Amino acid sequence: GENVEQHPSTLSVQEGDSAVIKCTYSDSASNYFPWYKQELGKRPQLIIDIRSNVGEKKDQRIAVTLNKTAKHFSLHITETQPEDSAVYFCAASGGSGYSTLTFGKGTMLLVSP
Amino acid sequence: EPEVTQTPSHQVTQMGQEVILRCVPISNHLYFYWYRQILGQKVEFLVSFYNNEISEKSEIFDDQFSVERPDGSNFTLKIRSTKLEDSAMYFCASSQTGLYGYTFGSGTRLTVV
Repeated sequence: GENVEQHPSTLSVQEGDSAVIKCTYSDSASNYFPWYKQELGKRPQLIIDIRSNVGEKKDQRIAVTLNKTAKHFSLHITETQPEDSAVYFCAASGGSGYSTLTFGKGTMLLVSP
Repeated sequence: EPEVTQTPSHQVTQMGQEVILRCVPISNHLYFYWYRQILGQKVEFLVSFYNNEISEKSEIFDDQFSVERPDGSNFTLKIRSTKLEDSAMYFCASSQTGLYGYTFGSGTRLTVV
């Protein structure tokens, strides 16, 4: 089955800096890669996603890039703000487990004012 | 914006007892899921349900787990004989397409004592 690795596990940045979180996946058939933000005790919230026919997608301060050959994808947050502090999860699906989301272990992002 | 509703928000149960977690997916969604998240860990897939039957399940979803859609709106997860290690946050999710556009519920925190 699919395996998703996520790095780093924690990331501390100063307000206004950029943050980058990286994920790799194992199933070359996976074709959908969402990113979720989870605040403490709350549900995962989809913040951006990318499909395998696209190399990059941007939504205001958030962007995701996908390298299908290398089987990795990254989340980029620019001009970070304290309210960006949360745990971020990458996920992959569409491969052998068609609609199953396989999550990475998460990155705790802390943005200091 | 449509939401996935879960009840109860918190359930405490004695080891060995049966629990039923309830979910109301978004009304025009066709695919339903249960995921769990042990405190501080990643979100893990349990089971997916489509067309009134299980479409995929993980190794975690053993014989003590079952799912049901008893009517046109509810989707339930039953744990027959709870164990301490079943303590986790359980998230229900639904999707219209089965691949994109997952919406997660706010979760049920299950504590087995």
